[in-house]
Parts: sequence; structure tokens; C-alpha cells
Amino acid sequence: DAGVIQSPRHEVTEMGQEVTLRCKLISGHNSLFWYRQTMMRGLELLIYFNNNVPIDDSGMPEDRFSAKMPNASFSTLKIQPSEPRDSAVYFCASSLAGGLSTDTQYFGPGTRLTVL
Amino acid sequence: DAKTTQPNSMESNEEEPVHLPCNHSTISGTDYIHWYRQLPSQGPEYVIHGLTSNVNNRMASLAIAEDRKSSTLILHRATLRDAAVYYCILCQDYAGNNRKLIWGLGTSLAVNP
Repeated sequence: DAGVIQSPRHEVTEMGQEVTLRCKLISGHNSLFWYRQTMMRGLELLIYFNNNVPIDDSGMPEDRFSAKMPNASFSTLKIQPSEPRDSAVYFCASSLAGGLSTDTQYFGPGTRLTVL
Repeated sequence: DAKTTQPNSMESNEEEPVHLPCNHSTISGTDYIHWYRQLPSQGPEYVIHGLTSNVNNRMASLAIAEDRKSSTLILHRATLRDAAVYYCILCQDYAGNNRKLIWGLGTSLAVNP
């Protein structure tokens, strides 16, 4: 199994540009999590999907951020327009069944985003 | 949200045991305790989890206090590859059958050769 796949691994863009981050879940997993990691705030949950349905998006910073699951194995996180304070490492994680307290999350390698 | 408290950093010597402490004094009865670690430039990876009883797996052991207000992750023989940030996390119930991990800032473990 290839694990969770994220692309791109690095993204450098200018303020105001649209950024799209991509994530492919592990085959058979039903839950998808988008996280953001910064030195100051650590790892923050942005949004959580279960069976393609957004369950909790309370961590999405503002309307500039949007996430979708067009199918069961793929998700995108879009930032439009991007701002320098969005610079961070964005992780995608998947799990078999996110509603279980014993469930394990499997993380991708992350996308390092720099907004100039 | 209930939170966890961990030391910012710890140091160990190779091949010695390491005890990583975590306080979670506001833990609820149904909250599971999870530990993940993050190696440099990688995503976090699962280590172990438990509810009330001590747990062992191939990576580590988890000792949970009787009152559940604290726990300790035990690496029995640290190797250089164990140098990472270790996160003690509560898995909390919310919105029906959904649960989420509440992440802290973790403990950065350095292992000396």
C-alpha cells in the first residue's frame, strides 16, 4: 500500500493567488482529515470528512478555505485568495472509520506552503 | 476541550529506557489516550493508545494512572531513530458517534549516541 499521497510536496506562491492541495486516501479508508501545522500553533484540525460528508469544519480559518471530496478516495483543500499567514505545512490523514475512539489516523508526507 | 500537558523537550541516551510523561487532568470517562510521534520532515505516525489499562505493542508501552489524570509512554530501549516529537492526545467524543483528536504541542525527544 502506498499510504496517503499528497501533492504537491512544496508550493511557493504569491499573495492573492489560488492554491490547491491534493490528497489521495488509503484504499478502503472512509474518513479524511485536513490539518495545518505551524511552529506557533502546532497541529490544528481544519476539517474532517466521513464517507465523503463533511462532519466538522469548525477549524477552517475563514471563507478563503474550502475542502471537497469529489469521490471516496480523493480530496482537495483550496485557498483563495492566499495570504502570507497561510504559510504552513498542510497534512492530510485518513482512517478506516473516524467515528471510533480506537481508530488510527495515517498521515501523508505533507505539503509545505509558502505564500510570499 | 480537555487538554494535555507535556514537557517541551527531553533527552535520552541510546539503548536506555525513556519515560515520556503526560498530564490530562480534565480527561472525561470515555476519552481514549493516544500517542503519536512525528519524525523530522514527516507526518505524524501512530504509536499506541489506551483507555484504562496499561498497553504494550511492538513500538512502546503505555502506562495509565489509576485516576486516568496522567499517563506515561515508555520506550524500552531508545534508538537514534526514536528522536522525534511525541504527542499525547485525547480522543474525544462529539456530535454523536464522531470523535476527534485534540493535539497539544508535544515533547521533542533527543537521543544521544
